[in-house]
Amino acid sequence: TQLLEQSPQFLSIQEGENLTVYCNSSSVFSSLQWYRQEPGEGPVLLVTVVTGGEVKKLKRLTFQFGDARKDSSLHITAAQPGDTGLYLCAGARNYGQNFVFGPGTRLSVLP
Amino acid sequence: SQTIHQWPATLVQPVGSPLSLECTVEGTSNPNLYWYRQAAGRGLQLLFYSVGIGQISSEVPQNLSASRPQDRQFILSSKKLLLSDSGFYLCAWMYRGITDTQYFGPGTRLTVL
Repeated sequence: TQLLEQSPQFLSIQEGENLTVYCNSSSVFSSLQWYRQEPGEGPVLLVTVVTGGEVKKLKRLTFQFGDARKDSSLHITAAQPGDTGLYLCAGARNYGQNFVFGPGTRLSVLP
Repeated sequence: SQTIHQWPATLVQPVGSPLSLECTVEGTSNPNLYWYRQAAGRGLQLLFYSVGIGQISSEVPQNLSASRPQDRQFILSSKKLLLSDSGFYLCAWMYRGITDTQYFGPGTRLTVL
């Protein structure tokens, strides 16, 4: 079983729509990261969240860490074709431990 | 600034042939280094990690091995490739600050035929 679950698995939307993807676990994480990966390339870090209830904004992207530090969400406002990619969440149970990755959400934004 | 390199970018190998993938990091010293494998369009599976020269930890039993002959060099190897070794291999290094952050290389696409 996956330590981190992500939903939905696939998402296809039209340019300009809003969307939210989720990263969930039954375990508590000391920190959680979101990455975006384009085909044939390595994942690129978008954000790190460490405090329960924390909200971080990166232009049209809003990241939230759950109060209990077991889940996180990524909301994209007015999606653009450039947002297309595989969104991965990764978490460390404790500081200094290796990260575990979720299976990812594949987002397609159609022009 | 730090940079991470991987080569080759793409590799096609026959079953039973050996493998050597290389990863190097610039701009940092004594980094934690990681090898991941990614199935098509899916999440990352940690294969090996290293906290220093000559120190290798394996996360899953398999047909692969890793070595760290120099501080900023990490090598993934196999003596005889299997079909199941096909995948996208990613090297990463860990920045340890107030929060831990991983940075990934561009990856190597390995196809075993």
